[in-house]
Amino acid sequence: GQSLEQPSEVTAVEGAIVQINCTYQTSGFYGLSWYQQHDGGAPTFLSYNALDGLEETGRFSSFLSRSDSYGYLLLQELQMKDSASYFCAVVHSGGYQKVTFGTGTKLQVIP
Amino acid sequence: ETGVTQTPRHLVMGMTNKKSLKCEQHLGHNAMYWYKQSAKKPLELMFVYSLEERVENNSVPSRFSPECPNSSHLFLHLHTLQPEDSALYLCASSQDRNPNRGNSPLHFGNGTRLTVT
Repeated sequence: GQSLEQPSEVTAVEGAIVQINCTYQTSGFYGLSWYQQHDGGAPTFLSYNALDGLEETGRFSSFLSRSDSYGYLLLQELQMKDSASYFCAVVHSGGYQKVTFGTGTKLQVIP
Repeated sequence: ETGVTQTPRHLVMGMTNKKSLKCEQHLGHNAMYWYKQSAKKPLELMFVYSLEERVENNSVPSRFSPECPNSSHLFLHLHTLQPEDSALYLCASSQDRNPNRGNSPLHFGNGTRLTVT
């Protein structure tokens, strides 16, 4: 089966940098995705890593190490609107694109 | 219209009721999904339809019955639910393809908040 671990809660100061880690166990691994979900809203896609290394998209970056089964999401220049839950998700084989999610990390950005 | 639309946004039903959740996607995708989101738990995949054919039924109780009449519409029919079925039910769509040819992100609707009394 698939399993993912990420911290349940993180608090950070506006303007700072925060890193949300994710470790996973899976078979048939293709890549690691990150999604953001504000309270009462839909999860929205942030990033995807299929290869080792860092992918940067504006203030957000995502990292993957396939050999360590580990990834992280890095949020820079934190803004209050970044307060949300962040989910890592593995994309793995299953005859179709199969996605299994972690439990999510609730990020609170404080002034 | 937004990409993925779910109705109703909120639903309260008794254990003997029958109701249906509706999802519509306007993105031209060929795969649709039902996920269940409960507090402190990962999003749980319930059903997957690819090209209108059910390809996944994740050991979901028979009191949940999906229907996918075409690639743009997905329903979840509910009957004789239990209080523990109270949760946020999320619909998603994607362009189903071999992941070796690149990622196809899931696009979620805002969900239906279901309360079973």
